Amino acid sequence: DGGITQSPKYLFRKEGQNVTLSCEQNLNHDAMYWYRQDPGQGLRLIYYSQIVNDFQKGDIAEGYSVSREKKESFPLTVTSAQKNPTAFYLCASSIDRPDTGELFFGEGSRLTVL
Amino acid sequence: AQSVAQPEDQVNVAEGNPLTVKCTYSVSGNPYLFWYVQYPNRGLQFLLKYITGDNLVKGSYGFEAEFNKSQTSFHLKKPSALVSDSALYFCAVRDTWNNRLAFGKGNQVVVIP
Repeated sequence: DGGITQSPKYLFRKEGQNVTLSCEQNLNHDAMYWYRQDPGQGLRLIYYSQIVNDFQKGDIAEGYSVSREKKESFPLTVTSAQKNPTAFYLCASSIDRPDTGELFFGEGSRLTVL
Repeated sequence: AQSVAQPEDQVNVAEGNPLTVKCTYSVSGNPYLFWYVQYPNRGLQFLLKYITGDNLVKGSYGFEAEFNKSQTSFHLKKPSALVSDSALYFCAVRDTWNNRLAFGKGNQVVVIP
């Protein structure tokens, strides 16, 4: 079945360590997104990519990095520069057209910094 | 910038009663509006969208939403709530300049048996 796969589902990290969250989609979507979810704050956009080898910063990109070397993959690295990385991270993809373009989400990755 | 507001943090409703989750929007140009639902520790699931056409939009799981241009609202409704409808509901608007979706902060819906 087509969909978005995020891994790992749960991740624990010590302060000062970088971690990479995986996001893979087989929907043939051009656009991919990373959101961060904190209780009571909704979803905040970290990075998005509308095409391979190109990506843009979202509203809270500081302390994060991404790459888009393949259409199917959009990994997110949470670096040690991110001051408060404990959160639920959601990857999404969409057809890159403004008149349609609902997002399809993965099941999320919960990162806890110890 | 496009934005949506969900004024209530939590909505409590008895099972079998009508459910309404409120959303107002602020856009320049035509609004593209969406509703999503999230169950605990899961990703978001698409419920419905308004792009153009009829003001009453029907979606998944018996939900519908009414687009009201004069009130800049896009409230989500269900005629008869189920306990399984208890979840977090997000309203979102697409920014037609950069295709990004801006989400509201979410509404927790609790359906009481």
